[in-house]
Amino acid sequence: AQSVAQPEDQVNVAEGNPLTVKCTYSVSGNPYLFWYVQYPNRGLQFLLKYITGDNLVKGSYGFEAEFNKSQTSFHLKKPSALVSDSALYFCAVRDGMNRDDKIIFGKGTRLHILP
Amino acid sequence: EAQVTQNPRYLITVTGKKLTVTCSQNMNHEYMSWYRQDPGLGLRQIYYSMNVEVTDKGDVPEGYKVSRKEKRNFPLILESPSPNQTSLYFCASSPGGTGGSLGGYTFGSGTRLTVV
Repeated sequence: AQSVAQPEDQVNVAEGNPLTVKCTYSVSGNPYLFWYVQYPNRGLQFLLKYITGDNLVKGSYGFEAEFNKSQTSFHLKKPSALVSDSALYFCAVRDGMNRDDKIIFGKGTRLHILP
Repeated sequence: EAQVTQNPRYLITVTGKKLTVTCSQNMNHEYMSWYRQDPGLGLRQIYYSMNVEVTDKGDVPEGYKVSRKEKRNFPLILESPSPNQTSLYFCASSPGGTGGSLGGYTFGSGTRLTVV
């Protein structure tokens, strides 16, 4: 069975500082990993994904994520936070062994960027 | 513009009054899914559909029905809504197949439902 955990309900970062939003996962096969962002009163938007290849994945709005197989983690990062990055972030995983298209979402981490 | 359209955006209803939330996508996607979002619980899958006339239960299907008569539409039906179904609902779609979701899901803007 696949699962994903976001250990932090909320992360506060000062504007201009680097940010990290944590995610760990559990799958039976190879993991397909995703980050989504939700701005207030909006649906979720796709940020980036890891399917295979380079462990450092670059996505939208200057975000990147690092796949670490030994630690089963896929942390979201950005070198310099902006106030506009404040939003709810969801990590998601799909088990590569599954034939259906099901993705499991974490509970979300609210990111506050302080001016 | 490629999109998933949900209607209505906001709905207040009374206990027991049947309602339908519509979802339509214009990307010819095979896979569609309904989620509910509740504080502290994240996104939980209600039902999903891998193609026309193919639907299956997600993690929290009780009290909900769906249908997939056409590829583009995937309505969510609450036959007898109760207050514990007050939530924010999202429809999502993806191309489907073993590689379908690898490009990510496309989400609708959400429907905020209140059952009193």
